[in-house]
Amino acid sequence: DTGVSQDPRHKITKRGQNVTFRCDPISEHNRLYWYRQTLGQGPEFLTYFQNEAQLEKSRLLSDRFSAERPKGSFSTLEIQRTEQGDSAMYLCASDREFETQYFGPGTRLLVL
Amino acid sequence: DAKTTQPNSMESNEEEPVHLPCNHSTISGTDYIHWYRQLPSQGPEYVIHGLTSNVNNRMASLAIAEDRKSSTLILHRATLRDAAVYYCILSRGGANSKLTFGKGITLSVRP
Repeated sequence: DTGVSQDPRHKITKRGQNVTFRCDPISEHNRLYWYRQTLGQGPEFLTYFQNEAQLEKSRLLSDRFSAERPKGSFSTLEIQRTEQGDSAMYLCASDREFETQYFGPGTRLLVL
Repeated sequence: DAKTTQPNSMESNEEEPVHLPCNHSTISGTDYIHWYRQLPSQGPEYVIHGLTSNVNNRMASLAIAEDRKSSTLILHRATLRDAAVYYCILSRGGANSKLTFGKGITLSVRP
């Protein structure tokens, strides 16, 4: 399977803990996106990378959130000092310019 | 970003065609119309996209109005596996094609 993969698929943490999620895009895709989806809503854009450069961040991405894509391949999304409001599905997607964007299966986060 | 309007929900019978409407009255000339669907507990799945002409692929057909202010996703024979939330999204393509999702339309398929 050469689709977008995400790890872990599920994460339960206690409020105040830090969590890190990983996304492996489709190998030939140079653009990578993170989205967040809460129950009953559509996914919301968080941030976008072209190769290793983070080119756009949504105002939804508070200071507690940081994303990296150090070598232009996989990406990590870290949430520091988690809050219950961070509970959501975190989705990663990738594409190349003018081509279809493909999504991973998501990481479901529950903050207790 | 130009917005889309979809009904909240729709029901269909298995093996019958389904027409899912989408209005996008403020669409610009460079906006592509994309459809994605999302099954429970999965990431969104690409269905189809188009710019001006009607499009067909193995999953569905996309009918685009002549003025491009509306479009319809057509599933030719609905199956139980087509029950999902369907999102109609406009995207400029090119630099940073972030997708702006609405709430989508929830399709239920009756056996």
